[in-house]
Amino acid sequence: GAGVSQSPSNKVTEKGKDVELRCDPISGHTALYWYRQSLGQGLEFLIYFQGNSAPDKSGLPSDRFSAERTGGSVSTLTIQRTQQEDSAVYLCASSLAYADTQYFGPGTRLTVL
Amino acid sequence: AQKITQTQPGMFVQEKEAVTLDCTYDTSDPSYGLFWYKQPSSGEMIFLIYQGSYDQQNATEGRYSLNFQKARKSANLVISASQLGDSAMYFCAMREPSGGYNKLIFGAGTRLAVHP
Repeated sequence: GAGVSQSPSNKVTEKGKDVELRCDPISGHTALYWYRQSLGQGLEFLIYFQGNSAPDKSGLPSDRFSAERTGGSVSTLTIQRTQQEDSAVYLCASSLAYADTQYFGPGTRLTVL
Repeated sequence: AQKITQTQPGMFVQEKEAVTLDCTYDTSDPSYGLFWYKQPSSGEMIFLIYQGSYDQQNATEGRYSLNFQKARKSANLVISASQLGDSAMYFCAMREPSGGYNKLIFGAGTRLAVHP
């Protein structure tokens, strides 16, 4: 079956612009996660969704970062007023239910100039 | 303190030989889960194997096995009969209740190169 998909695969933006990153989880997976992978910080958890609600937003680095999930499916991670330190690969994962194995998408590579 | 430690930034192995990638972890929770993921140059994180803290036997999945030593808090990945396609970054990760059980904590990774 289809895995987790993410779009775009690459995004180059200018400092100060807003960006939206999209994640389509595996069909039927109720839990969805966003992580960030950067050279300096490794892999970091950002936010977790169960259905459309986000019980854990503890990893969002600042209030410029937000995410939503609609219809218990697609999720969008929005970064406002991007900064160069936001440059990273943003990975989305989904799991069948809470605490199940997480399956990852291919990631979106964000470059802020 | 580091929750997940992978002490080998890089490893190499000859094709068809076995290799062990080290992972130690730190938690005070009695219930936790340990995972290994593979990340090829394409960037996608591929789930390899899972070990629960209460599992009596070491996990195995095909050529992958997990050498789980609970008292030593280590969860080393063993890849048998290495193939050229095994060249990738390998990440050890942990899930624990005090972290909410909904997030994975990753180590820094080990880059494995398989030589013909």
